[in-house]
Amino acid sequence: DVKVTQSSRYLVKRTGEKVFLECVQDMDHENMFWYRQDPGLGLRLIYFSYDVKMKEKGDIPEGYSVSREKKERFSLILESASTNQTSMYLCASSLPGLALSEQFFGPGTRLTVL
Amino acid sequence: AQKVTQAQTEISVVEKEDVTLDCVYETRDTTYYLFWYKQPPSGELVFLIRRNSFDEQNEISGRYSWNFQKSTSSFNFTITASQVVDSAVYFCALAGSGTYKYIFGTGTRLKVLA
Repeated sequence: DVKVTQSSRYLVKRTGEKVFLECVQDMDHENMFWYRQDPGLGLRLIYFSYDVKMKEKGDIPEGYSVSREKKERFSLILESASTNQTSMYLCASSLPGLALSEQFFGPGTRLTVL
Repeated sequence: AQKVTQAQTEISVVEKEDVTLDCVYETRDTTYYLFWYKQPPSGELVFLIRRNSFDEQNEISGRYSWNFQKSTSSFNFTITASQVVDSAVYFCALAGSGTYKYIFGTGTRLKVLA
């Protein structure tokens, strides 16, 4: 079974802190994704990566950056956390190619910025 | 523009009732893919089904069935004889060919009462 793990289930940070959210998948997937989930808004794509060191902006990249130095790991970085970044963050991975393959999701990190 | 609408924000049913979750989509692509995911209280989205735009056959998997109708741009999901374990948020998603991106609906929260 594909396993996507995220470093924390719950995280509390202060405004202005630098925040790292880590995601690891164990199925050698080329594609990895970061979403945020907010009530009434569904899932919105922040960034995705289709290969090591490759990244593309999603729909809401402002205030975020990503890093993919190894195939299995995709990190989401909040350079200076703000209260409007309080949300559930979901990581996903999928096989190579475009949208044909289903995405496999991690359990999510619920981030609160105070 | 691509869009997915799940007009039902929340549905409550009594156990053993049948329930249909609606999904209406908009796209100009001729080739596209539709997905349903389940998000139980644990938070991890679980893939349920993928359908491509050229396959309008309905599908049944146990108590789950899906009705894809291109004429009405709908991809509805029916649970027969619902159970408490079906309680979750259900997301419909759309992906066009030539893209990595999913467009998610806002989700429908299903509560199945014992």
